[in-house]
This record gives sequence, C-alpha cells and structure tokens, in this order.
Amino acid sequence: DAGITQSPRHKVTETGTPVTLRCHQTENHRYMYWYRQDPGHGLRLIHYSYGVKDTDKGEVSDGYSVSRSKTEDFLLTLESATSSQTSVYFCAIRDSIAGANVLTFGAGSRLTVL
Amino acid sequence: KNEVEQSPQNLTAQEGEFITINCSYSVGISALHWLQQHPGGGIVSLFMLSSGKKKHGRLIATINIQEKHSSLHITASHPRDSAVYICAVHSGGGADGLTFGKGTHLIIQP
Repeated sequence: DAGITQSPRHKVTETGTPVTLRCHQTENHRYMYWYRQDPGHGLRLIHYSYGVKDTDKGEVSDGYSVSRSKTEDFLLTLESATSSQTSVYFCAIRDSIAGANVLTFGAGSRLTVL
Repeated sequence: KNEVEQSPQNLTAQEGEFITINCSYSVGISALHWLQQHPGGGIVSLFMLSSGKKKHGRLIATINIQEKHSSLHITASHPRDSAVYICAVHSGGGADGLTFGKGTHLIIQP
C-alpha cells in the first residue's frame, strides 16, 4: 500500500468559491499527479509535480493551480470554482519498480459546484 | 498524442462467462496498464505490461506490440468483477506520458 490519501472525499460548493483538495502520501514518492474523471472522457491530467516546488501543467490545467511545499503533500486549488469543474478528482503517484512505472491512485474526491 | 480506444464500451454477461476487453492504441508505447474501478470506488492497478502475457488469479492480460493491441480476459466471471476497466498507455510523451482509454463498463449478472 503506497499510503496515498485524498481529502476531502466529498465536497459541495458554490460557483465562485475557492476550493482546495489535498493529496497526501507517506512513502516519499517524487512524482505526483492530479487527474479529473468525467463521463465520456478518459482520465485527464490537470497538473503534476516532480518534486518539491517543481510543478507543471497537464492538458486541462486552466482554472486550477497546484502547490507542493513538501514531498508528502500535493494541493490542487480551484481559485474560483465553476460548474464545469464538477468532477471526480484523483491524485496518483508514480513509482518505478524494476525500471517499470507503477501507478497508485488515491480514492478520489467528488466535487460538486452548484 | 496517442489515441487509445477500448471496446466494448459496455458489456453485460452472466456469471461464469469468459470475458474479453480490448484496447488499441495508435503509436508505439513503452508500457500498457490495465486499471479497475469499482462503482464509487478508487482506481486499482491490475497489470502493467510491455510484452507478452501476465496472469493474476482469474485475470489475464496480453499485449501484441506489433498490432498495437492489448486484451484483458476474465475467466469464470463473478458479480464482484463488475467494474469499469481502464486501459492506459505510456508512450513517453506529454507531462506524464500517459493516455487513458474511456473505460469498459462491465456488469456480471448472477
């Protein structure tokens, strides 16, 4: 078990409010990712991090920001939530085992923006 | 960008049936992942493979690199196998190098 937890697991908020989702890992993995999952789409990368204070954009980064001030925490912030950001958000870590990439996902955070 | 297509999108079968889910991709890859997601649940990695075949219990995953195709098989299917199965390919491009299929929604009826 890679020890990856997401919080909150469920959140309902109103349009225009800020929201922060937290991803916490306990095993010092370098690479962390935030994805969103929507009906009719595969998982889509929002932002990722390859170390403390090293982050970069994914394919659907507009409206989102991230921070990683310490190895174990990767925060996803919606500065001003919109209804289009209603989704299930997954954090993931990547581990290399025997030279191969292994993915471990958090349990997901369901966000509803009214 | 790699295009990943899964088929079928939805599959309903009876308990005990042999199940096959397919994944095709458009450009060369370094690895392919099969993931499982139960209703309302998180995503679990089932297999990662870059060639040949892997087996874990009743699940078998195969990949044909030349044909850019992978299959996930479930033998003696059971209602607890009901889930969404997701194929993801690692092609080395993009931020994480991963492209995900849209998933196959499998229902096994008792």
